[in-house]
This record gives sequence, structure tokens and C-alpha cells, in this order.
Amino acid sequence: RKEVEQDPGPFNVPEGATVAFNCTYSNSASQSFFWYRQDCRKEPKLLMSVYSSGNEDGRFTAQLNRASQYISLLIRDSKLSDSATYLCVVNRRGTYKYIFGTGTRLKVLA
Amino acid sequence: SAVISQKPSRDICQRGTSLTIQCQVDSQVTMMFWYRQQPGQSLTLIATANQGSEATYESGFVIDKFPISRPNLTFSTLTVSNMSPEDSSIYLCSVRLPGTSGGAQNIQYFGAGTRLSVL
Repeated sequence: RKEVEQDPGPFNVPEGATVAFNCTYSNSASQSFFWYRQDCRKEPKLLMSVYSSGNEDGRFTAQLNRASQYISLLIRDSKLSDSATYLCVVNRRGTYKYIFGTGTRLKVLA
Repeated sequence: SAVISQKPSRDICQRGTSLTIQCQVDSQVTMMFWYRQQPGQSLTLIATANQGSEATYESGFVIDKFPISRPNLTFSTLTVSNMSPEDSSIYLCSVRLPGTSGGAQNIQYFGAGTRLSVL
């Protein structure tokens, strides 16, 4: 079993829709969580960190559920420019390694 | 944030040759990371480069194949040696810096990557 698992998608949604992705992690010692965005043929870039209490940044909301060991990303009012691959990233406590999920591909359709 | 300059951005190489990828950061960092991303896959850590000491390699990666230099706190190189078509991939340099939002998390930044094709 992979340490970080994501549904690869693609999620095809119409413009304006709300879409949610989940990411599960297997190591309960994980302590830091992030969502990264990767556009085609580009490097990953931080979308947002995920905090224990949940956090919001404009149309994007991230949640952490430690009991069930998953994080989620909610995108409201999807834009065409949101089309990308969203990578879940987890850091295990006491290590410097960041583990990347395989990503969930989102396509927002006009 | 960090500005990471990575070059070359792409290359097409012959089997059996070697390619050295350079990574320059605009701030001093203790650790620099080298990743590989194969088509349709996520990022796999190759090694962590520490200034003044040997790089730390992940399982499945060895120094003879991927020698790394780290001469100072802002620069590193990764060499892909004796290349074969299986080495065709994107290679990414990365650093971590403290977040600016007041949280305790370190944020990882990436160079634009080197797209390598081996014939």
C-alpha cells in the first residue's frame, strides 16, 4: 500500500461547479500536509498548507481528518484555469522527507 | 519564497552518455533535494544534498549512477551517468524554506525541471 494515495481522476467538471478531492495517508505519525498544484509540463507549486482546524483560501478549502487519516481539498466555483493535477503531500514527524501522492487530475470544461 | 534556476531545461541524449543538471537557489539552504518524475507518475526523491557532506540516497538510487555535488549553500548538481532510455524523465531540484504564514511548516519549492530524453 502506498503511503499517500489519491484518486488519479480525471475529474471532468463544468465551469462553476464545486469539486472535492480526498487523499489518504497510511502513517499516523504524519504531521504536515499540503496541497500542490502541477500544471502540464510545469513544476509543482504550493497551493495551500493544510492545518488541523481546516483552512480556506478564497475558493479553496482544505480539511484534515486525523482519525480517518485523510485530507481533502474543496474547490468552489471552478474556473477553466483550475485545470491541473493536484498533488497531496505528507511529511512524517521526525523525518525530512515529503511524500507525494500521484496526483488527481482536474479538467474544468467550458 | 525561493527562486530556483535549473538548467538545462531539456536535453536529448544518446545512450551511454552522461548529463549534468545544475541548480542555483537565490538563498542559502542547508538541504537541496533532487527528484525524478516519470511520465504519469508522482515525484520520487532521488537524494538529499547537504553542503559539506555526502549526499543521502534513497532506496533504488546509487551514487555511481547519480553523483551529486554540493559545493556551497546555494548550488548543487546532479549527474545522470551512463544513460539508458529508462532514465528518460523529468528531474527536479527542490529546496525547503520556512512558511511565511506563521505556521511551523516548511514549504517546498521546485525548479522548473529538466526534461531528459535518452535515445
